[in-house]
Amino acid sequence: GAGVSQSPSNKVTEKGKDVELRCDPISGHTALYWYRQSLGQGLEFLIYFQGNSAPDKSGLPSDRFSAERTGGSVSTLTIQRTQQEDSAVYLCASRFQRDPLGNTGELFFGEGSRLTVL
Amino acid sequence: DAKTTQPTSMDCAEGRAANLPCNHSTISGNEYVYWYRQIHSQGPQYIIHGLKNNETNEMASLIITEDRKSSTLILPHATLRDTAVYYCIVKSGLTGGGNKLTFGTGTQLKVEL
Repeated sequence: GAGVSQSPSNKVTEKGKDVELRCDPISGHTALYWYRQSLGQGLEFLIYFQGNSAPDKSGLPSDRFSAERTGGSVSTLTIQRTQQEDSAVYLCASRFQRDPLGNTGELFFGEGSRLTVL
Repeated sequence: DAKTTQPTSMDCAEGRAANLPCNHSTISGNEYVYWYRQIHSQGPQYIIHGLKNNETNEMASLIITEDRKSSTLILPHATLRDTAVYYCIVKSGLTGGGNKLTFGTGTQLKVEL
């Protein structure tokens, strides 16, 4: 499709289980972001990938969270040993490295993956 | 990146202009002002951005004060579909300034009949 695609759209899991969330960015976008949004809260930055550079993991809340981006395209966010406080909507976004004016350009967001940990 | 301050909520009558203010008094010279919005249960959507000149596109206008310490997003003819949370974000346009957008709590705009 033309937009950022995320799957699953909804995931219900039991506390302690591992989950994987997938993001398929817009073709040609070299930068990819993961954010999460808890109910009624703002967006919380998690991790950023840019090309072959080392990712910016400064927003990951704990070592239970990890993400990878294979082949510079699809990304997977993995949460191990899920906790109830991990319940949130996980949003992926992508963009070009720079627009023609040299700006870092707009982010295009997917519709998110809603994670519920029971 | 500079911090922004926005009102928590605003109401606007359908068909009227919605003027959403944002204060960013600590903005530095290479930082841009970005606006995004998030309609309920959807991912955020880019609206517009600018450095120091006023900008206009098919969605909105962005007015930045001369000292760049504040800006206003204008939706010229608000409709019910413009009901959303509007985020004002300031960040450097250069990779050296960091690449992530930091979203605050935004302004909840409610457009009513």
